[in-house]
Amino acid sequence: NAGVTQTPKFQVLKTGQSMTLQCAQDMNHEYMSWYRQDPGMGLRLIHYSVGAGITDQGEVPNGYNVSRSTTEDFPLRLLSAAPSQTSVYFCASSPRGTGYQETQYFGPGTRLLVL
Amino acid sequence: AQSVTQLDSQVPVFEEAPVELRCNYSSSVSVYLFWYVQYPNQGLQLLLKYLSGSTLVKGINGFEAEFNKSQTSFHLRKPSVHISDTAEYFCAVRLTGGGNKLTFGTGTQLKVEL
Repeated sequence: NAGVTQTPKFQVLKTGQSMTLQCAQDMNHEYMSWYRQDPGMGLRLIHYSVGAGITDQGEVPNGYNVSRSTTEDFPLRLLSAAPSQTSVYFCASSPRGTGYQETQYFGPGTRLLVL
Repeated sequence: AQSVTQLDSQVPVFEEAPVELRCNYSSSVSVYLFWYVQYPNQGLQLLLKYLSGSTLVKGINGFEAEFNKSQTSFHLRKPSVHISDTAEYFCAVRLTGGGNKLTFGTGTQLKVEL
């Protein structure tokens, strides 16, 4: 298994540009999440999905869109990039199990710089 | 809503010395607790987790943590650290009935020196 993969690894955008961060997992996990990591703030949840066709907002959803058309893929879209979205983005997935005792598996991250 | 506090942003320690990284949480309902490690330029890896049962939890790489419900703490310990333990460590909490949303602390940078 490749686990959780993210592309691209690095990206530089200009303010106002749009882009999609890709996330895929080959473990047949139902749950998938997007986090952003900023210095001194830990990881904050952007959006998450409990299964194909179902998404919900996390702690910091503004400026981001997601969709979940398949179990494997969970792309994150920036419609109009802003410098405040400069961050490291992590995708995570986990299986659904009895009692919600799953472990989240994290991808390697995408480093985004918005100029 | 639950929250996690990691009071120490940086912890320097000499190699082979013991270390404790502190984590306190706040929640009105029962929680699951996790410690993750992030090595430079990598994603997060699970070190250990407390779900139920014994309050002393052993994880990978010789780390362990103790759940203390009365003090709402989940401190991470290692009796003898190695240079390779230099990394950032995150404590996280999830409600037992709250789906799959993790709430993370702000992280503690462990720097092991010779």
